[in-house]
Amino acid sequence: NAGVTQTPKFQVLKTGQSMTLQCAQDMNHNSMYWYRQDPGMGLRLIYYSASEGTTDKGEVPNGYNVSRLNKREFSLRLESAAPSQTSVYFCASSEAPGAVYGYTFGSGTRLTVV
Amino acid sequence: AQRVTQPEKLLSVFKGAPVELKCNYSYSGSPELFWYVQYSRQRLQLLLRHISRESIKGFTADLNKGETSFHLKKPFAQEEDSAMYYCALSGNTGGFKTIFGAGTRLFVKA
Repeated sequence: NAGVTQTPKFQVLKTGQSMTLQCAQDMNHNSMYWYRQDPGMGLRLIYYSASEGTTDKGEVPNGYNVSRLNKREFSLRLESAAPSQTSVYFCASSEAPGAVYGYTFGSGTRLTVV
Repeated sequence: AQRVTQPEKLLSVFKGAPVELKCNYSYSGSPELFWYVQYSRQRLQLLLRHISRESIKGFTADLNKGETSFHLKKPFAQEEDSAMYYCALSGNTGGFKTIFGAGTRLFVKA
């Protein structure tokens, strides 16, 4: 019962480098989300995908892009990393938008940009 | 605007004491409210939902629409309750996104 799997778990980037965070869920959920977690600020939504084939901006989308590759996978890309993007990134999924039954979260990716 | 406020960053109580983690929200429609918990070095996990009116690990939370609050309570705190707790709101306004509060770190002392 993997649930939501994120890779990598840790990453250090230099300013200006690019990388893609991967997320996959095996629960046949329709909706997927990317959040960043910063001390004192809780979780802030970066992008979400209500269903396969759709993506929408969240609260803090600048500097990020996403791809809903298929129903299972939702990747987050940093094209040119900046120190302000140092954070812990969480992927989550839910059966449907509105998440009446709540989200299932991945274990997170701790990203440091130097 | 949709907003979730957790006024306490840190809450420290003794084992066996009652605990209440506060959550207030601002929302124009009918929200779904949740509490999530994150134990040390673990992923966030759903603790409880207001619509199910359940008690999980001894915790309960009642939605008070008049006071726009969804406080999390437990009559007798245990050391294993030490964790980060997030209140969250979801609804059909703004695209069904879930908004999280800033979180409250609960520390239960022996």
